[in-house]
Formats: sequence, C-alpha cells, structure tokens
Amino acid sequence: GAVVSQHPSWVICKSGTSVKIECRSLDFQATTMFWYRQFPKQSLMLMATSNEGSKATYEQGVEKDKFLINHASLTLSTLTVTSAHPEDSSFYICSAREYNSPLHFGNGTRLTVT
Amino acid sequence: GNSVTQMEGPVTLSEEAFLTINCTYTATGYPSLFWYVQYPGEGLQLLLKATKADDKGSNKGFEATYRKETTSFHLEKGSVQVSDSAVYFCALSENQGGKLIFGQGTELSVKP
Repeated sequence: GAVVSQHPSWVICKSGTSVKIECRSLDFQATTMFWYRQFPKQSLMLMATSNEGSKATYEQGVEKDKFLINHASLTLSTLTVTSAHPEDSSFYICSAREYNSPLHFGNGTRLTVT
Repeated sequence: GNSVTQMEGPVTLSEEAFLTINCTYTATGYPSLFWYVQYPGEGLQLLLKATKADDKGSNKGFEATYRKETTSFHLEKGSVQVSDSAVYFCALSENQGGKLIFGQGTELSVKP
C-alpha cells in the first residue's frame, strides 16, 4: 500500500535554532500534503495544506514565517520550524494524497526544544 | 464552523467486552465521516469511513453508522482484543480531497 515516510522520528534542538522535518511519499505522487500538530492527549490540529508547486495555505493562527512549508516536488514536502522555542515542542504529523485518493499519514516527528 | 467531538478517554475494557466510542459532529454541509486508529508508536491509519447518511462503514470487526438525524458516527465493536489498544480519532471532511477535521481522540486500553 501507499507509504508516507516522515523523518526524523524524533529530534531535540536548542532554543533559537531551526529544525527541518521531511515528509516523503514513497510509491505515489503526493499532489497535496497536510501538516498537523498534535499536543499530548489532544487532537490533531491542521497547520497548513500544500499543493505541489504552490505556496502553502496556512490555517488561522499558524505563523507562516515560523513554520515554513515547502512542497517543491511530487514526493517531498518539508516543514521547517524556525527559531524554535520550548512551546514549539510537539508531535508533528504529515499526511499526503494523490488527487482525491485516500489520505496516508506519516508516523510523526516528536520535536523537543530545550 | 465544522467540528468533531468524541467521548473522553481513556477507556479501559476487558478482552471480549463490547466497545462503543461516541462521536458527534457539527458541519454546514454533508461531510464524509471517518474513524482513524493510531497504534502506539505508529502513524494514523484509516479504520473505516462513510460518505453519506445511513451508510455503515466496517473493518476489522469495527462498525460505525452515519446518522444525520443525530449528527453522530459512533464506533462499535462486539468483542475487543488486546491488540485493539490504541487511540481512535473520529474525523470529518466536507468534500473529497478536502482537509480532515479531527476529534480529540479516545484512548482505548484492553486488558487480558
């Protein structure tokens, strides 16, 4: 079946640094990718939607200058958390689909900012 | 706006017990409804879905019926197993290809 690979699975970074998370579709063309953030014991909060070759559409309240999303190819999208702070510590999950086919999720990235 | 509300967890059951996880939704149109499951250390997987009123989604012994009159999509299983221990998310999508809106998730723990 369709696989979405997310890397790294966990990362620890110092406050003020930036960290990049990759999301790859391994056996299909990811025409649309979604980035979610999940707090402990809480739901997935949609951060942004990106279509290949276009700028990402951010949800209300999500700082686009802080969470940079790039979807430059049909198999790769990246989320860069810039100038990370401890409150950015969270579980970030990507999902991808090819046109209107079912959505597939990555295994998530646990970010800890110290 | 659209929203999904699930019963709070954690839910702890003994093996072979009956499971119900309640889910209600608010939507302006006629959404598709989904149940996703997240096993420990893994990503979300689609468990079942229903795209219109009165549809019943089913998979792996789990069932949920799209009830427009009560705006509900409760998840049920007749006999749970230890391997069903996971977090279950109810979600809706207003249109095919559109974004998913998730409930807060319900953690299920099944004891032998």
